[in-house]
Amino acid sequence: DAKTTQPTSMDCAEGRAANLPCNHSTISGNEYVYWYRQIHSQGPQYIIHGLKNNETNEMASLIITEDRKSSTLILPHATLRDTAVYYCIPTNSGYALNFGKGTSLLVTP
Amino acid sequence: GAVVSQHPSWVICKSGTSVKIECRSLDFQATTMFWYRQFPKQSLMLMATSNEGSKATYEQGVEKDKFLINHASLTLSTLTVTSAHPEDSSFYICSARRARGVRDEQFFGPGTRLTVL
Repeated sequence: DAKTTQPTSMDCAEGRAANLPCNHSTISGNEYVYWYRQIHSQGPQYIIHGLKNNETNEMASLIITEDRKSSTLILPHATLRDTAVYYCIPTNSGYALNFGKGTSLLVTP
Repeated sequence: GAVVSQHPSWVICKSGTSVKIECRSLDFQATTMFWYRQFPKQSLMLMATSNEGSKATYEQGVEKDKFLINHASLTLSTLTVTSAHPEDSSFYICSARRARGVRDEQFFGPGTRLTVL
């Protein structure tokens, strides 16, 4: 699995966009970039994933650079309920997920 | 999204007893389920991969005789912590894989908090 680098923590004001970066420079050609989040004392929640094209769903947008060495998860209008640890995980489809340390996002009023 | 349940949500037991945790995919069939463990202020660590109808594959350092995994059906996997000790106290989380060709998805259960006294 590719190694990832994410900021340890980030703050975001409620209602503003939260942009969470992830560096995965060693990603292999067939690995997808998955994003999950974990709210305190709960199981991780799937957010979005992509291979090389940008993706958008009801929760977030995923921007992947052309060289696939980094990506950004965008929460367009952060709410207090988005406070969580966000994990960027490059992996092959169907494989177990290797959770790194993630980014602890705090959304403030 | 798909729903994965775990039972119980929390359990307290005495040292030396065995504890069974169930993981169910409620609205899809899961040929593969994964078991993770999370200690306080740490990230999730994969314990084992469970495939329906076959023996589980354990990660290095995870004792297969202590953490018994059974995946008897496409919707149920169980993890039994045998002869539990205080160091086994942790948050145990399962996930179930929903196969969609090259865009497989994994859905996680809510977790089971085990406290061994």
